[in-house]
Amino acid sequence: AQKITQTQPGMFVQEKEAVTLDCTYDTSDQSYGLFWYKQPSSGEMIFLIYQGSYDEQNATEGRYSLNFQKARKSANLVISASQLGDSAMYFCAMREVDSNYQLIWGAGTKLIIKP
Amino acid sequence: NAGVTQTPKFQVLKTGQSMTLQCAQDMNHEYMSWYRQDPGMGLRLIHYSVGAGITDQGEVPNGYNVSRSTTEDFPLRLLSAAPSQTSVYFCASSYGQGMYEQYFGPGTRLTVT
Repeated sequence: AQKITQTQPGMFVQEKEAVTLDCTYDTSDQSYGLFWYKQPSSGEMIFLIYQGSYDEQNATEGRYSLNFQKARKSANLVISASQLGDSAMYFCAMREVDSNYQLIWGAGTKLIIKP
Repeated sequence: NAGVTQTPKFQVLKTGQSMTLQCAQDMNHEYMSWYRQDPGMGLRLIHYSVGAGITDQGEVPNGYNVSRSTTEDFPLRLLSAAPSQTSVYFCASSYGQGMYEQYFGPGTRLTVT
């Protein structure tokens, strides 16, 4: 069974609009962490934001925020006021204690920002 | 700080050849890992290490070997290259084995013909 599911293979969004990238996860562990990474066309992996399973508040980092709904096992990335430079692949990933903290990845969402 | 470095950036191998992908980090990170990225898929863990002298298998270890003799270096060896190993390989490191972000190298694009 997929541990991390990203249901949107691709998305087109108008510049300056907000965008939500979906991520659902599957774990029976009580302690886990959720990560979002960005991969531009140049290929490097850039860490964006982290949410711990015990964190009571949603994580925020600049224009990025994480809409964490623990009961629904979802950790959606929200990008406010999108910019052309946000066009990239976005990956959701999870570390859990039961898997020896290995980072488990979703298949990614390709986001294209239209001018 | 250079962060995580990988060499080479590109490599073409013939089936059956062997080679070593180099990875080094200068952040004194205990945890290091190797991933492969194939089109349409997320990254898949090949091998990882929680410290010098300690390595373990990830999701797709077959055909690859690793060793960790120092904190800084974590080379990945392809024993006998196969076309199925054509992929982009990323090395990553993090402070420890816990809920820490991983820092990635720039990747190595490997083609096996």
